[in-house]
Amino acid sequence: AQSVTQPDIHITVSEGASLELRCNYSYGATPYLFWYVQSPGQGLQLLLKYFSGDTLVQGIKGFEAEFKRSQSSFNLRKPSVHWSDAAEYFCAGGLVGKLTFGTGTRLQVML
Amino acid sequence: GAVVSQHPSRVICKSGTSVKIECRSLDFQATTMFWYRQFPKQSLMLMATSNEGSKATYEQGVEKDKFLINHASLTLSTLTVTSAHPEDSSFYICSASQGGGTLAKNIQYFGAGTRLSVL
Repeated sequence: AQSVTQPDIHITVSEGASLELRCNYSYGATPYLFWYVQSPGQGLQLLLKYFSGDTLVQGIKGFEAEFKRSQSSFNLRKPSVHWSDAAEYFCAGGLVGKLTFGTGTRLQVML
Repeated sequence: GAVVSQHPSRVICKSGTSVKIECRSLDFQATTMFWYRQFPKQSLMLMATSNEGSKATYEQGVEKDKFLINHASLTLSTLTVTSAHPEDSSFYICSASQGGGTLAKNIQYFGAGTRLSVL
């Protein structure tokens, strides 16, 4: 069965520190991969996507993600976190148009 | 670009009434629209997929007669929760993808969600 796993339910970092959110996928073939961010009571905003090609993907708001086929991972990174980055982050994988979401990682930023 | 508008953002209704939620793609044609349900502090659960002009495809366990989906045009899909009950209270989110090539079809743009509270 297709699945996306986010091992970390909750992460707390200090403002200015670096961030890495983990995502692993399990698919028969390499899926399209996405990271979305959700602020409380809001919909989801697309941060970045990977379809093929360069395995390091740049997104909005200073985020990047690296696709590693050997590890079935697509981890999200940011070199310096801002207080406004506090939100819920979802990794998602897709084939033929449908998305499967991970359970999300809640990011808390300490000032 | 790629803006999806969802209305209303919040609705409170009495048990037994029906509620309609609208999802519009404002600056692109949405060949496919999706409806999700999200429980508190949980991930998104896909309820159904709809293509313009055809019947929606519901996920297993989702009641078709309770959650009516209409995708009458390339920019509008509606979700009607019929005879709503307190257990239907949830956060409902729609998304839309464009037609065209494979890449476009696989990118979903999300609305801001609708908080439904059934009393």
